Amino acid sequence: NAGVTQTPKFQVLKTGQSMTLQCAQDMNHNSMYWYRQDPGMGLRLIYYSASEGTTDKGEVPNGYNVSRLNKREFSLRLESAAPSQTSVYFCASQDSQAYEQYFGPGTRLTVT
Amino acid sequence: QKEVEQNSGPLSVPEGAIASLNCTYSDRGSQSFFWYRQYSGKSPELIMSIYSNGDKEDGRFTAQLNKASQYVSLLIRDSQPSDSATYLCAVRRGSQGNLIFGKGTKLSVKP
Repeated sequence: NAGVTQTPKFQVLKTGQSMTLQCAQDMNHNSMYWYRQDPGMGLRLIYYSASEGTTDKGEVPNGYNVSRLNKREFSLRLESAAPSQTSVYFCASQDSQAYEQYFGPGTRLTVT
Repeated sequence: QKEVEQNSGPLSVPEGAIASLNCTYSDRGSQSFFWYRQYSGKSPELIMSIYSNGDKEDGRFTAQLNKASQYVSLLIRDSQPSDSATYLCAVRRGSQGNLIFGKGTKLSVKP
C-alpha cells in the first residue's frame, strides 16, 4: 500500500508559469484535500473533494483550480504562479467513517 | 477566537519525562479529535484519534478529551529525543467532514 502519493516533490517556477500538482491515493477513500503550509500559518485548506465528481473551495482557493479525475486522483493547478504561492503543498485523503486524514509526502514549490 | 488553539511552544522536556500537549476548540458541536506528529520537512502523520470523553491510550501516547471544557490533550510518557517534532491538533466540526487544524506545538526532548 503506497497510501497517498504526490508528484513532484520539488518544483521551482517563474512568476506567471503554470503547473499541475498530482495526487493519488490507494485507500479507496471518497474525500480528498489540498492544503498549503506556510511558517506560522499552519495548514490551510485550498480545495477539497467530498466524493468523485464534486469539488469545493476551502479557506484559500484564489489562484488555484482542482480536478477530481477519478476516485483515486485529485490534482491542483496553478494557472499563473505568483511568489505568494511559494509554499509546501500537501494532499490528503480521508476515511469516511473514522474521518482520519492521511497525508502525502508534500510538494515544495518555490515561485521566483 | 480561533477555532483550534494550541500553544506554539517550544515545549522542552528532559528525556524520560512526560510531555503534555494541549488543545482547545471553539465549536461545541465538534465530534472527532485527532493528533498528528510532523517532523521537520516531513508531512503530518496521524498518531491518535479520540471520539468520546475520557482517555485513550496507545503505547506511550494517551489522548484525553473533555467536551464540556472543549479541551483535548496528548500525553507522551517516557519522552524520547525521537519524539521531538511539531504536534498538530485537528478537530472535526459536527456538521462537516472537514478537519480544522491548530498551528501546532513544537516539542523538544532533551537527552
